Amino acid sequence: EVQLVESGGGLIRPGGSLRLSCVVSGFTVSNNYMHWVRQAPGKGLEWVSLIQSGGSTYYADSVKGRFTVSKDNSKNTLYLQMNSLRPDDTAVYYCARTDSGYGPFDYWGQGTLVTVSS
Amino acid sequence: DIQMTQSPSSLSASVGDRVTITCRASQSISSYLNWYQQKPGKAPELLIFAASSLQRGVPSRFSGSGSGTDFTLSISSLQPEDFVTYYCQQSYISPRTFGQGTKVEIK
Repeated sequence: EVQLVESGGGLIRPGGSLRLSCVVSGFTVSNNYMHWVRQAPGKGLEWVSLIQSGGSTYYADSVKGRFTVSKDNSKNTLYLQMNSLRPDDTAVYYCARTDSGYGPFDYWGQGTLVTVSS
Repeated sequence: DIQMTQSPSSLSASVGDRVTITCRASQSISSYLNWYQQKPGKAPELLIFAASSLQRGVPSRFSGSGSGTDFTLSISSLQPEDFVTYYCQQSYISPRTFGQGTKVEIK
């Protein structure tokens, strides 16, 4: 059975840092494209970042230079390091898989809420 | 970035109705268009990929069509569990972008 389980969310002050984790079972992160997608309260879905199977990384303009995606193949875990957090980063963060550059998001985690507020 | 525009933003319908949701891309995306269903408080779930392919386990009342810039999601006979929010998403060019969502409400 495929499972993606995010953790690491919480309440953080503006300017602070947080690291999200996504533990995967049922497939290997090393062979797949792994993404972070977020959803602000009451809003739509926004793609945040991608780490390809080979390790190349890509980011939305809104987070470029502040967020860093990484993975640990030995732990089958995806990470999102978030620095210089702003109130508009407040959202539920989902990890999700695509099996290629053109594929759909076919597996999603349950999400972890990040609230940036003073 | 490719803009994805869904219409309507919301609709009211009854159980058993047929409904259609439209998604338009700001440029051609071939058939790289996917549809998701999101229930309140839950992660999105994949319904349709590559414009018209039904994801495994999704009921056959859901169907998708289109190519290029114009796409549709149809639900042939609404069931009580279908009154939730639907999103389209293009996977043709990075960044992957979503439509703003369509909320299907009970009339």
